[in-house]
Amino acid sequence: GESVGLHLPTLSVQEGDNSIINCAYSNSASDYFIWYKQESGKGPQFIIDIRSNMDKRQGQRVTVLLNKTVKHLSLQIAATQPGDSAVYFCAEMEYGNKLVFGAGTILRVKS
Amino acid sequence: DTGVSQDPRHKITKRGQNVTFRCDPISEHNRLYWYRQTLGQGPEFLTYFQNEAQLEKSRLLSDRFSAERPKGSFSTLEIQRTEQGDSAMYLCASSLEGGEQFFGPGTRLTVL
Repeated sequence: GESVGLHLPTLSVQEGDNSIINCAYSNSASDYFIWYKQESGKGPQFIIDIRSNMDKRQGQRVTVLLNKTVKHLSLQIAATQPGDSAVYFCAEMEYGNKLVFGAGTILRVKS
Repeated sequence: DTGVSQDPRHKITKRGQNVTFRCDPISEHNRLYWYRQTLGQGPEFLTYFQNEAQLEKSRLLSDRFSAERPKGSFSTLEIQRTEQGDSAMYLCASSLEGGEQFFGPGTRLTVL
């Protein structure tokens, strides 16, 4: 499979703990943000999104926080499971619905 | 499985050869995107279509690259005179206008 993320920051957490993955975005005019999960050998998979008129959105076991003042996004995963191990990317949507991805973070879950 | 398929999954070619990749989007999706991903990086936008019209091309898309979506359904991405720097994962995504983008599994290109 693909070894995405040879030079990406890595977050190692114990199974059952909460994980927080951070991302800085560049375009202050962006109004829509998405978190993607990418497993080895697969394309990115949508996790959760948030629009700029919100500062928090919750899904199943995941929460996204948006701080527009400092152009910062975070993804919180509750009760992290081994199946959560992957590379996580934040993305901002620009004109034409094209996505601009951040650098990515490797999440490793230890059993 | 997101419903977006790509073929082939892997392609090994020699420098200077031409290659063509195919993407089959989710059938009702009118938008189709191509991205390129190199090791350790997030995907980078290449181009997108709304129905059969190619609406935007990135500066990353040199004149050796061409993409088509002739009937507004499947799309092809051709790279002519491949170079070693073209080695990457080529990802396709589709969406309804303004909707979530669903990604395919990608085509891994290796140029020797």
